[in-house]
Amino acid sequence: KNQVEQSPQSLIILEGKNCTLQCNYTVSPFSNLRWYKQDTGRGPVSLTIMTFSENTKSNGRYTATLDADTKQSSLHITASQLSDSASYICVAPMDSSYKLIFGSGTRLLVRP
Amino acid sequence: DAMVIQNPRYQVTQFGKPVTLSCSQTLNHNVMYWYQQKSSQAPKLLFHYYDKDFNNEADTPDNFQSRRPNTSFCFLDIRSPGLGDAAMYLCATSARDTFNEQYFGPGTRLTVT
Repeated sequence: KNQVEQSPQSLIILEGKNCTLQCNYTVSPFSNLRWYKQDTGRGPVSLTIMTFSENTKSNGRYTATLDADTKQSSLHITASQLSDSASYICVAPMDSSYKLIFGSGTRLLVRP
Repeated sequence: DAMVIQNPRYQVTQFGKPVTLSCSQTLNHNVMYWYQQKSSQAPKLLFHYYDKDFNNEADTPDNFQSRRPNTSFCFLDIRSPGLGDAAMYLCATSARDTFNEQYFGPGTRLTVT
């Protein structure tokens, strides 16, 4: 069954601290995996896209990793800011088609 | 900047009163999607247009309809909104050859009273 699972469900950290969000996927065939950030009341915004051959990709303070053998991805946020408070969603396409499989998201709260 | 625009951002309608949500895009993408997202849930695909071809998801209620008069615009019509239709409605677009690179609009929050 094609699935994307994320952990933790929610996370609270202090401003300036680092954190890592996890995503496990069982999508086959695998083409790519994307991390989105969704602020409350807004649409998802793409942070990074990881293809099969990529292990690490950075976008500012966001670094995504992909392990195709274990089918795991992580999103590391460095030196968190209050504006990082949002839901982070891991998404993979089904059969390289238009249908996206969304993870349930991790709700991150950054406190001063 | 190329983008996906949704109007209005907030919409309040009465139970049973038809409502239309709009989406426009300046990306010149061939494919446009409508998603429904309820609180703390993942977006659920309602339907999509590939150019002028309409593709309905099997479990999308008949209450939901869509129109795409041209490449740039797409509308979501809810014929008789029920309380259960209160949600965030997201429009997304993608290019012809990169379906899974979807760009989302900011969403319209629909409240049904």
